[in-house]
Amino acid sequence: KNQVEQSPQSLIILEGKNCTLQCNYTVSPFSNLRWYKQDTGRGPVSLTIMTFSENTKSNGRYTATLDADTKQSSLHITASQLSDSASYICVVSDRGSTLGRLYFGRGTQLTVWP
Amino acid sequence: EADIYQTPRYLVIGTGKKITLECSQTMGHDKMYWYQQDPGMELHLIHYSYGVNSTEKGDLSSESTVSRIRTEHFPLTLESARPSHTSQYLCASSVDGSSYNEQFFGPGTRLTVL
Repeated sequence: KNQVEQSPQSLIILEGKNCTLQCNYTVSPFSNLRWYKQDTGRGPVSLTIMTFSENTKSNGRYTATLDADTKQSSLHITASQLSDSASYICVVSDRGSTLGRLYFGRGTQLTVWP
Repeated sequence: EADIYQTPRYLVIGTGKKITLECSQTMGHDKMYWYQQDPGMELHLIHYSYGVNSTEKGDLSSESTVSRIRTEHFPLTLESARPSHTSQYLCASSVDGSSYNEQFFGPGTRLTVL
């Protein structure tokens, strides 16, 4: 069964600190993995997308890593800001269908305190 | 500006009412999707469309229906709303033929059925 598991479920950090969110997946055949940021009451917004051959990708203070062998990914946030408070969703796409189906994790709810 | 729009953003209605959730995109994308998301849970695909006059049911069974008469418009209809339909509904679109199948999400409609 294709699944995406994220940890921790929730995380509270102080402004300026770094944090790392984890994602494990069993989706096969694998196409790509992306991290989305979803603010409360809003739609998800893409942060990074990585294919099988990419093991790291950055977008400003966000750095994602991918280990396709162990089927693990992480999202590292540097120097957190209050605006980083959101749910971070790991999404894996398979290449076994014309639709390019997406498998969503439940997200990590990050809260940044001043 | 190319974007994806959803209206209304919030809707509170009584049981038995017929409702239509609107979704429009100005990016010229062929593929469009509807997802359902409950608090703290992953997104579930309920409908998708490859293009005009194409509609398919997703992974999660839903009593809603969709139509795709124009490329840019993908409305979702509930003939008789029930409290079990209370949820957030997210519309998304993607360009056909993209290797990433990156989906762009609208802001969502939060539906509450009393």
